[in-house]
Amino acid sequence: GENVEQHPSTLSVQEGDSAVIKCTYSDSASNYFPWYKQELGKRPQLIIDIRSNVGEKKDQRIAVTLNKTAKHFSLHITETQPEDSAVYFCAAGILQGAQKLVFGQGTRLTINP
Amino acid sequence: GAGVSQSPRYKVAKRGQDVALRCDPISGHVSLFWYQQALGQGPEFLTYFQNEAQLDKSGLPSDRFFAERPEGSVSTLKIQRTQQEDSAVYLCASSSLSGQGAVEQYFGPGTRLTVT
Repeated sequence: GENVEQHPSTLSVQEGDSAVIKCTYSDSASNYFPWYKQELGKRPQLIIDIRSNVGEKKDQRIAVTLNKTAKHFSLHITETQPEDSAVYFCAAGILQGAQKLVFGQGTRLTINP
Repeated sequence: GAGVSQSPRYKVAKRGQDVALRCDPISGHVSLFWYQQALGQGPEFLTYFQNEAQLDKSGLPSDRFFAERPEGSVSTLKIQRTQQEDSAVYLCASSSLSGQGAVEQYFGPGTRLTVT
């Protein structure tokens, strides 16, 4: 089955700097890669996703890149702000069929003012 | 509109007790998922429904876990004879279906189960 590895487990950056979180996946059939943000005690919320037919997607300060050959994808947050502090999860899934998401272990991002 | 809701939000059970966790998905969402999230970990898939049909239950850890969605809307996750290792947050998510398959999964707030 699918296995998703996420690094780093913790990340601390200065406000205004960029943050990068990386994930690798094992199942070449996976074609959907969402990123979720989870604040303490809250539900996971989708912040951006990418499908395997594109290599990069941007939404304001957030971007995701996908390398299908190497089976890895990354989240980039620019101009970080204190409200970006949270746990971020990458996930992999297949749009058709089983539908389930396999999540990474999470990255605790702390933005230092 | 209303999001995914779950009840109860917190449940404390003594080892050996049975528990039932409820999920109300977003109205009209065809797909419903249950995930288990241990402390400090990512959510782990338990089971998936499309309408009332349980299409994938490969993530259920044992036969003590049972899920149903009899009318294709509300779902219940039941855990029989709870064990300490069942302590976790149980997350429900729902999504609509597009012509390309599933889209965004919207998560509920979760039920935090503590088995003592």
